[in-house]
Amino acid sequence: AQKITQTQPGMFVQEKEAVTLDCTYDTSDPSYGLFWYKQPSSGEMIFLIYQGSYDQQNATEGRYSLNFQKARKSANLVISASQLGDSAMYFCAMREDALNTGFQKLVFGTGTRLLVSP
Amino acid sequence: DVKVTQSSRYLVKRTGEKVFLECVQDMDHENMFWYRQDPGLGLRLIYFSYDVKMKEKGDIPEGYSVSREKKERFSLILESASTNQTSMYLCASSLYGTAPRVSQYFGPGTRLLVL
Repeated sequence: AQKITQTQPGMFVQEKEAVTLDCTYDTSDPSYGLFWYKQPSSGEMIFLIYQGSYDQQNATEGRYSLNFQKARKSANLVISASQLGDSAMYFCAMREDALNTGFQKLVFGTGTRLLVSP
Repeated sequence: DVKVTQSSRYLVKRTGEKVFLECVQDMDHENMFWYRQDPGLGLRLIYFSYDVKMKEKGDIPEGYSVSREKKERFSLILESASTNQTSMYLCASSLYGTAPRVSQYFGPGTRLLVL
């Protein structure tokens, strides 16, 4: 069963505006981690931001922030002040069994393609 | 900086050929992963390895095998390539352990076309 859901196949935003990319997840493990990756047209996946299930505050990394709502099992990525270079695919991912194994396996969503227009 | 390299960016093979995809990382990571990426399906884990000569099946191992003879190198093998294996293949590596904020580092990907 799919455990990460990204319901927006594509999003458009104008330069300098903020955009929210949705991600919901499903797990019964109390300890988990949530990641967002960016994939430009070059193909390489770039790590953006991490949120742990026990973190008290929402994660922030520069223009990226994560709106973590644990009860709703959502971990939406917010990009502020969009730039043309933000045009890319964005993937949400989850790591389970954090305390049990060292494998650091990730389960990925299907991705959202973001297009930033001038 | 972590560097994960893949042997080819683009590859064209014939049905039935044996195909080798090579991945090398330079950060002494224990874990290495092979994914395939298809539109609308995201990334799906084929195999992973947490040590030399150790391998574990991922979600879609059928039709693939792997080899890890050295810590820095992880190879994906398509024993007899089929057209439904046309895809983007991504290799990744990470540290082994239960530390929470451990990210996977990805290579640039190999776009494989099987004719």
